[in-house]
Amino acid sequence: EPEVTQTPSHQVTQMGQEVILRCVPISNHLYFYWYRQILGQKVEFLVSFYNNEISEKSEIFDDQFSVERPDGSNFTLKIRSTKLEDSAMYFCASSGINEQFFGPGTRLTVL
Amino acid sequence: LAKTTQPISMDSYEGQEVNITCSHNNIATNDYITWYQQFPSQGPRFIIQGYKTKVTNEVASLFIPADRKSSTLSLPRVSLSDTAVYYCLVGASGNTPLVFGKGTRLSVIA
Repeated sequence: EPEVTQTPSHQVTQMGQEVILRCVPISNHLYFYWYRQILGQKVEFLVSFYNNEISEKSEIFDDQFSVERPDGSNFTLKIRSTKLEDSAMYFCASSGINEQFFGPGTRLTVL
Repeated sequence: LAKTTQPISMDSYEGQEVNITCSHNNIATNDYITWYQQFPSQGPRFIIQGYKTKVTNEVASLFIPADRKSSTLSLPRVSLSDTAVYYCLVGASGNTPLVFGKGTRLSVIA
């Protein structure tokens, strides 16, 4: 069964550093998303991406965040200058015409 | 998007049927009802989706009354591995952002 994969599974960084989280969506999907979940809280939408551009973004997705699809398979989330409050699980998802499939997540810890 | 209300937590013994009800009074005509499951430290996983009446798959059944203001996820004969958080979402389709609530934390006891 096809699945969404994410790397790394765990990323530890110092406050102010840049991080790039990587995702490989399911190959024939056209819609891609990033969500995050702070420990003990709800899953929150960050951004959606279609046809090589952002289609929607939430208030959380400010200028410190960016997304890119650098080639035909990878989908990345960059946080330019991490803050303590960016510590969370980050989930990538992709969809075709129906349900969204989520990856296993990257646990980001900002020290 | 329609607001959803579901119980914060539920307990069940292994082998029992579990029914989790979700209220969505402001559901729109074009909205679907979708349920996701999330295990600790994992991404949400799609369980089932329906528009009206009853939908069944290999994992669960979804019951939706005629007024569509609520829905019930039914898990037959739960096991310990069904311990997870279950989310009811309304309006979700394949290419719109999902809005998760706090979900229902189901604990299955041996």
